[in-house]
Amino acid sequence: GAGVSQTPSNKVTEKGKYVELRCDPISGHTALYWYRQSLGQGPEFLIYFQGTGAADDSGLPNDRFFAVRPEGSVSTLKIQRTERGDSAVYLCASSSPTRNTGELFFGEGSRLTVL
Amino acid sequence: AQSVTQLDSQVPVFEEAPVELRCNYSSSVSVYLFWYVQYPNQGLQLLLKYLSGSTLVKGINGFEAEFNKSQTSFHLRKPSVHISDTAEYFCAVSDTRGNKLVFGAGTILRVKS
Repeated sequence: GAGVSQTPSNKVTEKGKYVELRCDPISGHTALYWYRQSLGQGPEFLIYFQGTGAADDSGLPNDRFFAVRPEGSVSTLKIQRTERGDSAVYLCASSSPTRNTGELFFGEGSRLTVL
Repeated sequence: AQSVTQLDSQVPVFEEAPVELRCNYSSSVSVYLFWYVQYPNQGLQLLLKYLSGSTLVKGINGFEAEFNKSQTSFHLRKPSVHISDTAEYFCAVSDTRGNKLVFGAGTILRVKS
């Protein structure tokens, strides 16, 4: 499809386990964002990539969270030693550098549940 | 740093009635402002945005919003809602680099027949 694709759509894991969430942005979009949305709240910024590099990772809550984008396209958000408080919907978005400043195209999210 | 306050968590309204969803922001620098909509089981999508120029901005599906700098507000309006407008609406702000959106907590619009 032409939109932002996120996998898995749902992930249930146990406390202490390692989790990877994948995002495939719209082709040609150089900017990629990760947000986290907890129940009853708006999306909260985690990290922003421009190409392969993390331009702003100020939203990552602690060093258990890490994200990569090695070839400037697909990105993986990695969470180590998961905690129950990590349960949320993780949203990925991408944007084009040449048009529509500020318009982010969002995927449907990966719902993470930590038991 | 920017912040956004959406004053209503839920707004119930009858079909064909007008609606206003309120949004106030805080920022020490010039801003861009956005409204995103999330329909059930779908991803967020852009409804409208203010970057510069006319303070009245028109978006998709008959929605419009007005940027009021003195009131630091960006309220969303529609003169006549439809059942299909039932969704959650998020106001967002960024600085003029537009790289990092800060979202409000969202307003659930419930349109009743």
